[in-house]
Amino acid sequence: EVKLVESGGGLVLPGASLKLSCIVSGFTFSDYWMRWVRQAPGKGLEFIGEIKPDGSKTNYAPSMKGRFTISRDNAKNTLYLQMSSVRSEDTATYYCARLGYSGFDYWGQGVMVTVSS
Amino acid sequence: DIQMTQSPPVLSASVGDRVTLSCKASQNINENLDWYQQKHGEAPKLLIYYTNNLQTGIPSRFSGSGSGTDYIFTISSLQPEDVATYYCYQYNSGWTFGGGTKLELK
Repeated sequence: EVKLVESGGGLVLPGASLKLSCIVSGFTFSDYWMRWVRQAPGKGLEFIGEIKPDGSKTNYAPSMKGRFTISRDNAKNTLYLQMSSVRSEDTATYYCARLGYSGFDYWGQGVMVTVSS
Repeated sequence: DIQMTQSPPVLSASVGDRVTLSCKASQNINENLDWYQQKHGEAPKLLIYYTNNLQTGIPSRFSGSGSGTDYIFTISSLQPEDVATYYCYQYNSGWTFGGGTKLELK
């Protein structure tokens, strides 16, 4: 069974940094592009970025470049999202997702990040 | 950046109705479009990929069509479990989700 489990969220102060993790199981992690998507409370989905199977290449939505860094550790079956200089607008549920042949075919349950003083 | 506009924002329909949702791109996206369903409190779920391909395990009452800038998502006979928000998503140039259509039961 394919599983993606995010962790690392919570309440964080404006300007701080935070690193989210996504541990996967049930498939060969090193074979797939992986992505992060976020959703602000009551709002729609927003693509953050993606990372190549071997970790050698990342792509980000223009609005996400600079403060977000995606990385992975294939030995640990773990995807990461490093967030820096967080703002109130970064308050959202963050999802990791697998890019399968047909699209985002598996998603995690999401992890909530709240940026507030 | 490509903008994706979904309409209507909210749709009320009855069980058994044929439901049609629209997604319009700000430029040609060459059918590089998926549809996702998100039920309240859950992660999104892939229903349709590359405009008109049904994801494995998804009921055949769901379908998609379109080309160029205009795309349609159809539920042939609405079921109670279809209450959700539906998002289109383009990956032709960059990656953009539409704003969503919230589907409610009348």
